[in-house]
Amino acid sequence: AQSVTQLDSQVPVFEEAPVELRCNYSSSVSVYLFWYVQYPNQGLQLLLKYLSGSTLVKGINGFEAEFNKSQTSFHLRKPSVHISDTAEYFCAVPGNFGNEKLTFGTGTRLTIIP
Amino acid sequence: DTGVSQDPRHKITKRGQNVTFRCDPISEHNRLYWYRQTLGQGPEFLTYFQNEAQLEKSRLLSDRFSAERPKGSFSTLEIQRTEQGDSAMYLCASSFPDGTGELFFGEGSRLTVL
Repeated sequence: AQSVTQLDSQVPVFEEAPVELRCNYSSSVSVYLFWYVQYPNQGLQLLLKYLSGSTLVKGINGFEAEFNKSQTSFHLRKPSVHISDTAEYFCAVPGNFGNEKLTFGTGTRLTIIP
Repeated sequence: DTGVSQDPRHKITKRGQNVTFRCDPISEHNRLYWYRQTLGQGPEFLTYFQNEAQLEKSRLLSDRFSAERPKGSFSTLEIQRTEQGDSAMYLCASSFPDGTGELFFGEGSRLTVL
């Protein structure tokens, strides 16, 4: 079964500093990858997705992620964070090709320090 | 608003009582998913429907849990004889069966079992 690992449960970052949230995937088939964000007391919202094509994917709110097949990684980055980026971030991968059930990582809580 | 809606948003119940949650998906979506999320964890898959057919159930879904989608539109998730371990956020999501895995989530129903 496909799975993702988020190595960092919490990441504190100063406001306007860059951030990288790490995600590694395990898959032996074609890979789709997702990052979702969950703001406090809200549901999950799609941040960005990799389906095919360019390995650098741009999402909402200035976030981007790079698909790296050799390192089986899909790390999320932002060059300058804001207080409003405080949230929980989840990496996710669907099941077998054509099966859309998403398996989520355990999440990374991003805390912005003023 | 044409997003996924869930009701109720919050439910507090006593151990042993039955509870039911409702999910109204995006109208054009024929797939509907239920996930459970506990504090500090990523969403865990429970079950999903394509139209009115329940296609997969997780082993997390004990006999006390039942989900229906009678007319292929809204869905209900019922928990019988609730236990304190059932306390969690129950998330509903919907999607097109386009093979990409993108899910659209509601804001969730938070269950507290006393």
